[in-house]
Amino acid sequence: EVQLVESGGVVVQPGESLRLSCAASGFTFHSYTMHWVRQPPGKGLEWVSLISGDGSTADYADSVKGRFTISRDNNKNSLYLQMNSLRTGDTAFYYCAHEGSGYAFTWGQGTLVTVSS
Amino acid sequence: DIQMTQSPSSLSASVGDRVTITCRASQTIITYLNWYQQKPGKAPDLLIYGASSLQSGVPSRFSGSGSGTDFTLTIISLQPEDFATYYCQQSFYSPRTFGQGTRVDIK
Repeated sequence: EVQLVESGGVVVQPGESLRLSCAASGFTFHSYTMHWVRQPPGKGLEWVSLISGDGSTADYADSVKGRFTISRDNNKNSLYLQMNSLRTGDTAFYYCAHEGSGYAFTWGQGTLVTVSS
Repeated sequence: DIQMTQSPSSLSASVGDRVTITCRASQTIITYLNWYQQKPGKAPDLLIYGASSLQSGVPSRFSGSGSGTDFTLTIISLQPEDFATYYCQQSFYSPRTFGQGTRVDIK
């Protein structure tokens, strides 16, 4: 069974940096593309970033391009999201997601990032 | 980016009702369409993938159909645990865009 556990969400001030982590288990981690998706409280889902299984390919939403960096450590079965120059608009629950059968997502429980002065 | 448009944005229904939610893609996505259910305070759960394939463990009252640009999620005989928000998502193009969600609440 796919299990994903995010961590690292805290309250930060605008302009600060933060790194989120996602610990994966229950599947062959290095074989799968992984994603980050975010959801501002009370709002809809916004795809943020993806990384291929071997880490060679990454893509970002325009809203985070140049500020966020996705990475993975296949030896540790872990996914990361380095977030720099945080803005109040980045406040959201951040979910890591495994892209499995049918290119559909299995989700972690999420971690809340609050950007506020 | 592919735009995904769900309708309605919200609906009120009673236990036992048949509910239909539609999702339209701005370009053809063949059948690379997934449906998720999200309850308050929880992460989304996969219901349907590939437009019509039921995820393991999901009750058979849920079904999906469609291809190209137009897709439907149907819940026959709505149950109390089905009151939630439903999202469609295309997985044909990057970025993997989502619909805005359809909230199903109790009439």
